[in-house]
Amino acid sequence: DVKVTQSSRYLVKRTGEKVFLECVQDMDHENMFWYRQDPGLGLRLIYFSYDVKMKEKGDIPEGYSVSREKKERFSLILESASTNQTSMYLCASNNRDRGFNQPQHFGDGTRLSIL
Amino acid sequence: AQSVTQPDIHITVSEGASLELRCNYSYGATPYLFWYVQSPGQGLQLLLKYFSGDTLVQGIKGFEAEFKRSQSSFNLRKPSVHWSDAAEYFCAVGATGTASKLTFGTGTRLQVTL
Repeated sequence: DVKVTQSSRYLVKRTGEKVFLECVQDMDHENMFWYRQDPGLGLRLIYFSYDVKMKEKGDIPEGYSVSREKKERFSLILESASTNQTSMYLCASNNRDRGFNQPQHFGDGTRLSIL
Repeated sequence: AQSVTQPDIHITVSEGASLELRCNYSYGATPYLFWYVQSPGQGLQLLLKYFSGDTLVQGIKGFEAEFKRSQSSFNLRKPSVHWSDAAEYFCAVGATGTASKLTFGTGTRLQVTL
């Protein structure tokens, strides 16, 4: 089975801090994604990456950056955390090789609180 | 741009009753459609997917969904709900391109009464 592991289930940080959320997948997937999930808004795509060192903005990239130095790891960075970034963050990955029709596999999420 | 509408925010059904969760999509080409389930405190688990072919798709846990192009719908059904089905359900439509981006609906929370 595909395993997508997010480093923290719960995280509490202070306004202005630099925050790193880490995600690792063990299936050699090309594509990796970061979403945030808020009540009533569903999942919204922040950034995605289709290869090492490649990244593209999703629908809500403002206030975030990402890093993909190794194929299995995709990091989400909050450069200066703000209270409106309090949310559930979900990482996902899928395989590009066989075309589009590969479902995304999700981690268990990181619930981030910014105080 | 694609979009997904899940018109029901919250649904309550009795255990053993049938279930239908609604999903309407907007997409310019043939859509790639998914249903995911999220149990409390967990990530999303894929229930089923539709890419082409038979418009009635079978998934895990006894769920099925029917693609109706004329109605732009992809409703999720289960003939008899179990208490363990209580969760949040998300419909998603996929875009083509370098990476298979998904656009999610806002979700439907299912409560099951005993």
